[in-house]
Amino acid sequence: DAGVIQSPRHEVTEMGQEVTLRCKPISGHNSLFWYRQTMMRGLELLIYFNNNVPIDDSGMPEDRFSAKMPNASFSTLKIQPSEPRDSAVYFCASSPGQGIPYEQYFGPGTRLTVT
Amino acid sequence: GEDVEQSLFLSVREGDSSVINCTYTDSSSTYLYWYKQEPGAGLQLLTYIFSNMDMKQDQRLTVLLNKKDKHLSLRIADTQTGDSAIYFCAANKGGSYIPTFGRGTSLIVHP
Repeated sequence: DAGVIQSPRHEVTEMGQEVTLRCKPISGHNSLFWYRQTMMRGLELLIYFNNNVPIDDSGMPEDRFSAKMPNASFSTLKIQPSEPRDSAVYFCASSPGQGIPYEQYFGPGTRLTVT
Repeated sequence: GEDVEQSLFLSVREGDSSVINCTYTDSSSTYLYWYKQEPGAGLQLLTYIFSNMDMKQDQRLTVLLNKKDKHLSLRIADTQTGDSAIYFCAANKGGSYIPTFGRGTSLIVHP
């Protein structure tokens, strides 16, 4: 399996622009997570889905952030409008829901820079 | 304080043992994990321990759990330069399977 796929790997955008991050989870995994990593705040869970349904979005920082999972093989995280403080590495992770309890498989991340 | 805490940096000499420590707050945590993040990559599960265990050994890795003190440690024997990475401690909150991650410990291995 190719693992969790994220695109783009790097994104540079100007303040006020819309940013869309994409994730393809591992086939057969039923849980998907979006995280944000910064030096100041470490690794933060933004939202997670189970069977394509958002379960907990309490980590989403503001209404500017939204996430969707239209099917089992694709999810997006959108920021509109983007701000410089959104600059971070955004990780998508998926989990099979069986085996080692709730092992999460992380993608390589998208490094977002908002100028 | 944070739910999972760990020191931010550790520097060791190649060949020495490294010990990374972590404390967590939820006494009902059932699963405790160590993840490794190499530069430019996502996190990868390194090892884990159930709360009913106090030690787990896997080759060069030894995990110790003191449930009474809610303290978890990861010992890496014969540390190599390839072990340089960020190590994250994680624990699930009771009633949830979702792990909460610490801020990560940057392990620097120098010759």
